[in-house]
Amino acid sequence: AQTVTQSQPEMSVQEAETVTLSCTYDTSESDYYLFWYKQPPSRQMILVIRQEAYKQQNATENRFSVNFQKAAKSFSLKISDSQLGDAAMYFCAYRSYGGSEKLVFGKGTKLTVNP
Amino acid sequence: EPEVTQTPSHQVTQMGQEVILRCVPISNHLYFYWYRQILGQKVEFLVSFYNNEISEKSEIFDDQFSVERPDGSNFTLKIRSTKLEDSAMYFCASSEWETQETQYFGPGTRLLVL
Repeated sequence: AQTVTQSQPEMSVQEAETVTLSCTYDTSESDYYLFWYKQPPSRQMILVIRQEAYKQQNATENRFSVNFQKAAKSFSLKISDSQLGDAAMYFCAYRSYGGSEKLVFGKGTKLTVNP
Repeated sequence: EPEVTQTPSHQVTQMGQEVILRCVPISNHLYFYWYRQILGQKVEFLVSFYNNEISEKSEIFDDQFSVERPDGSNFTLKIRSTKLEDSAMYFCASSEWETQETQYFGPGTRLLVL
């Protein structure tokens, strides 16, 4: 069974600075998807970024980028130019390719952005 | 931008009562999911639903749970006889055919069983 580990329960960053959230996962599959979801206090789970394991290029969405290291089974999220609105819980998630439809989540990292 | 919606946002019920949690997935989506998050724990998969039937379910999804798509827009999760340990945030999600791997979540229903 796949597992996802987020080793940082809480992180903080100064506004306009850069922060990196860590995620590692365990799987025996070679093809899969990885996701970062954001859950602000409003509770809505918002997709931040998605990475296909077969793509070597790291995904980027505006100020959000990932460092995907397939061999190390690592999938970190970098937030550049942090804004107050980035404060939220961030969940890393795994999904099989062509197999199980379920998302497997980590426990989350609570990000605080200080003005 | 289309969103998944869920009602109610909060529900308080007595142990042993039946509850129905409602979700309206994004309109052109064909795959539907329920997840739950017990306070302080991980978000856990409950069930996926496609073409009017369950396509996958977890060991959590036992006989007290059922899902239904009663019409063309709603997707419901019924808990027949609630237990204290059912207290959690319940999230509905949906995904479309072409990009099935990306699931879009609703805001959740916070269920409290007393």
